[in-house]
Amino acid sequence: AQSVTQPDIHITVSEGASLELRCNYSYGATPYLFWYVQSPGQGLQLLLKYFSGDTLVQGIKGFEAEFKRSQSSFNLRKPSVHWSDAAEYFCAVGAGTNAGKSTFGDGTTLTVKP
Amino acid sequence: GAGVSQSPRYKVTKRGQDVALRCDPISGHVSLYWYRQALGQGPEFLTYFNYEAQQDKSGLPNDRFSAERPEGSISTLTIQRTEQRDSAMYRCASSPEGEDYGYTFGSGTRLTVV
Repeated sequence: AQSVTQPDIHITVSEGASLELRCNYSYGATPYLFWYVQSPGQGLQLLLKYFSGDTLVQGIKGFEAEFKRSQSSFNLRKPSVHWSDAAEYFCAVGAGTNAGKSTFGDGTTLTVKP
Repeated sequence: GAGVSQSPRYKVTKRGQDVALRCDPISGHVSLYWYRQALGQGPEFLTYFNYEAQQDKSGLPNDRFSAERPEGSISTLTIQRTEQRDSAMYRCASSPEGEDYGYTFGSGTRLTVV
């Protein structure tokens, strides 16, 4: 069965500092990996996804993530955080190819200090 | 429509009552998904459809939960004889076809059973 672990429940960074949110997954084959962001009162928004190819993927809002098969990780990064990035971030793994469901981690809440 | 629309946004119901939650996906999206999200956790898969066909309902907790999408567009998630443990945010998502594209989520329906 597929699973996702986000080890950090809450992270606080200063505005302008760099950010890395950790995600570890468990999946038997090549996974489809996603990062979503959830702002208060909003639905989840897709930031980026990885299926194959270049292991460093670029997403919206200046985010990127790197797939590392040897570490079963898909960490999300941003070089310089803005106050508007404060939100909850979810990593998800799926089987893709119309296999249906994604499995989500429990999320990491990001607080940005001025 | 422009986004995934869910109604109602909030629903308070008495234990034992039936509730129906509605999801209107992005026009033309083939796949529609229902997830449930408890406070402090990531979304948990319930069921999904391709067109009008229910492909996987393995995440529905018990037979009080059912979903339909009769014309391949709007979907309804019905919970019969609600219980307090059913209280959660119910999220709907859609995608062009399969999860390869990632999901577009609605804002959710907050269900409270009293």
